[in-house]
Amino acid sequence: EAQVTQNPRYLITVTGKKLTVTCSQNMNHEYMSWYRQDPGLGLRQIYYSMNVEVTDKGDVPEGYKVSRKEKRNFPLILESPSPNQTSLYFCASSADRVGEKLFFGSGTQLSVL
Amino acid sequence: AQKITQTQPGMFVQEKEAVTLDCTYDTSDQSYGLFWYKQPSSGEMIFLIYQGSYDEQNATEGRYSLNFQKARKSANLVISASQLGDSAMYFCATGGYSSASKIIFGSGTRLSIRP
Repeated sequence: EAQVTQNPRYLITVTGKKLTVTCSQNMNHEYMSWYRQDPGLGLRQIYYSMNVEVTDKGDVPEGYKVSRKEKRNFPLILESPSPNQTSLYFCASSADRVGEKLFFGSGTQLSVL
Repeated sequence: AQKITQTQPGMFVQEKEAVTLDCTYDTSDQSYGLFWYKQPSSGEMIFLIYQGSYDEQNATEGRYSLNFQKARKSANLVISASQLGDSAMYFCATGGYSSASKIIFGSGTRLSIRP
């Protein structure tokens, strides 16, 4: 089954404690992206990747890191989380950023205390 | 640069009526795609419909159609014969082929269907 697997589903942490949200796709997609969703702001792009070892900043990259060492994996790293990073996070992938739909992970609800 | 604007934060519609959700976009790409996604209260993102910038016909998928007006940079979603299950958040998105382009979303419209 074609899918984007994102873990964990829920995460509660404290300020400053490093965390990683994993994302993996089994569709051999080149394009992968991370979004955060906040009420009234829609989905804002954090980072995206066109292919292995190619990553670019989205609209809200501050406080986040990503890596794309393998085509299937695109983890999101918060080195020192802060309360303003409390949000719903989505990983997504696509075969083509113009003509093909995005496949989304199930989301990660992150709370930073 | 790309931008998506959804001007309707919330809408209430009577069941079985048609509803139009507005979306305007701005892009410098010559070739781009327009997408609509649905997010029910359970949280998952569901793809609804796609329109390519060079498609001459408006896209349709069952009860969903995309009213594409290129000159106005408008990509409104039309849902015919609305159902209670259509109550959800709806997001418009665009992606382009330029090197600086990416897939971005609007702020969304919360649609509520009244029985």
